[in-house]
Amino acid sequence: QQQVKQSPQSLIVQKGGIPIINCAYENTAFDYFPWYQQFPGKGPALLIAIRPDVSEKKEGRFTISFNKSAKQFSLHIMDSQPGDSATYFCAARVPGANNLFFGTGTRLTVIP
Amino acid sequence: DAGVTQSPTHLIKTRGQQVTLRCSPKSGHDTVSWYQQALGQGPQFIFQYYEEEERQRGNFPDRFSGHQFPNYSSELNVNALLLGDSALYLCASSWDMGNTEAFFGQGTRLTVV
Repeated sequence: QQQVKQSPQSLIVQKGGIPIINCAYENTAFDYFPWYQQFPGKGPALLIAIRPDVSEKKEGRFTISFNKSAKQFSLHIMDSQPGDSATYFCAARVPGANNLFFGTGTRLTVIP
Repeated sequence: DAGVTQSPTHLIKTRGQQVTLRCSPKSGHDTVSWYQQALGQGPQFIFQYYEEEERQRGNFPDRFSGHQFPNYSSELNVNALLLGDSALYLCASSWDMGNTEAFFGQGTRLTVV
């Protein structure tokens, strides 16, 4: 059973566009929701994370929007660049544990 | 700070063999988790080690086992390899008391033939 569902599977945008990646979860015990960026042949790198007591968090060009009642959260990438082309994973964590439940990933391509 | 380091980076094994993968956590981190990432999928949690003991385990068979050493480094062992064990194996470290974010290594690409 997939604890975190992610969509779309792939996404192509023009440079400067704003790709949006969506995730949904069922377990209301989750208390931490990170987003990871992964380039081919590399391990995932933490981009930005949010806790359910806030509805939005911005770090540079990356924004997480969080809807606790809908059990959904999304990643927005402002002014996307070709260097942002990578696979993005959302994840969630249960309190008191450090293991993460990952979504299936979104392959983003930013066209110059 | 070298971050999380894993070895080897690539490995080819024959079905039925055994393999050992190694991980050194980020400086200051005491908790090590292992994940399996199949091609085109998100990482799946295998197990987590803290204070040299397995603290949590995901839905993986007993063929997958591990160890944590006093210096917090860790090994992942897989016995009786199957073709389906081919994947990128990721190690993540964190600091337990701070319930902090997990930092991942670059992974070990295991191919079972």
